[in-house]
Amino acid sequence: DTEVTQTPKHLVMGMTNKKSLKCEQHMGHRAMYWYKQKAKKPPELMFVYSYEKLSINESVPSRFSPECPNSSLLNLHLHALQPEDSALYLCASSQEADTQYFGPGTRLTVL
Amino acid sequence: GENVEQHPSTLSVQEGDSAVIKCTYSDSASNYFPWYKQELGKRPQLIIDIRSNVGEKKDQRIAVTLNKTAKHFSLHITETQPEDSAVYFCAASFGYDKVIFGPGTSLSVIP
Repeated sequence: DTEVTQTPKHLVMGMTNKKSLKCEQHMGHRAMYWYKQKAKKPPELMFVYSYEKLSINESVPSRFSPECPNSSLLNLHLHALQPEDSALYLCASSQEADTQYFGPGTRLTVL
Repeated sequence: GENVEQHPSTLSVQEGDSAVIKCTYSDSASNYFPWYKQELGKRPQLIIDIRSNVGEKKDQRIAVTLNKTAKHFSLHITETQPEDSAVYFCAASFGYDKVIFGPGTSLSVIP
């Protein structure tokens, strides 16, 4: 399996909702990433997990909470989001600190 | 802070012509330089990459060159086709936590 999968594909939520984004890879990669991408902009790194431990948190607001239950799964828990958080959320994985493989993303709309 | 510049921001070429996109990075510790292609509504996909111990790499119509002294690297696409139309992102990285994307180049190939 050479893919990174993400669910759901689309998500619409209100500012008081709690939801979670899920990411899965079965390539045996040891690093997993969450990115946020706005239209016509590059991906912005949010979190990095290396060997299931959070190694990077790029000053992301606490309304975003990552979780890595095991080496194949990565979740992003969302709570009390703002409309400006609407974006494409991309998950990626890599074996060593080089080639990252991206999932298809979750298109999030916050009303 | 560390950053990656990318030029041009938009590029329009006739089918069959060549396209060149250039990136400059600031962190001299960067040692891995991938190029991603992102079509509208889709995930970024790696098209070619180069490591710091190599000056040039080619894969069919795509080539990348790296000048570590000058801290810049370039993507060359020859014999462009309409399906090459997309946004291209360069990136520079060192380790899991230092992945910096350029702002992107929107390439249009006119039939």
